[in-house]
Amino acid sequence: QSALTQPRSVSGSPGQSVTISCTGTSSDVGGYNYVSWYQQHPGKAPKLMIYDVSKRPSGVPDRFSGSKSGNTASLTISGLQAEDEADYYCYSYAGGYILIFGGGTKLTVL
Amino acid sequence: EVQLVQSGAEVKKPGESLKISCKGFRYSFTSYWIGWVRQMPGKGLEWMGIIYPGDSNTKYSPSFQGHVTISADKSISTAYLQWSSLKASDTAIYYCARSGNFQDAFDVWGQGTMVTVSS
Repeated sequence: QSALTQPRSVSGSPGQSVTISCTGTSSDVGGYNYVSWYQQHPGKAPKLMIYDVSKRPSGVPDRFSGSKSGNTASLTISGLQAEDEADYYCYSYAGGYILIFGGGTKLTVL
Repeated sequence: EVQLVQSGAEVKKPGESLKISCKGFRYSFTSYWIGWVRQMPGKGLEWMGIIYPGDSNTKYSPSFQGHVTISADKSISTAYLQWSSLKASDTAIYYCARSGNFQDAFDVWGQGTMVTVSS
């Protein structure tokens, strides 16, 4: 099972919005609503930001939102802030007993 | 606060065995899955496998099947990841994380265990 496809990097200025895509297949992202997103700052453990495609855990700012269309899931961060600079990973159920991560996207706040 | 606390950093030689641990605090350890995730230096996250401590039901990624063993001791709320013969390519940070159901997101993560394999 190959990793889900994410852009290597995205960037935006403070206050702007950015969207990170996560492309899979009908056997993973497109087939189930079990897509989640994680934020990882350097030297830190990942943190859950979005689960079940678009749900936000308690404590995650509503600037973070998730969606899905076909085989592509997306994470949108609005009102970009300096502390949002981090690596972001998508994660999806792929049927049976398989789960897979995306390759990761480095977000730079200009 | 719900926590997963992992064992400390390890430095090993190729061919040696190793078992690292992940202990759960302040939740019902037998009611959640514990997954293991590898992060090689400068690289992304990789799903290795998962265990349900309630009945020790364990599933592995095809990429890691046969290379590692995942286990759990529910009496002490601890999950384990072990190798029988380490390779230099096993050098990585290993995270444990909790999920409510097999296919669910990981909502709580351990702090990570750095494993260095070098002669």
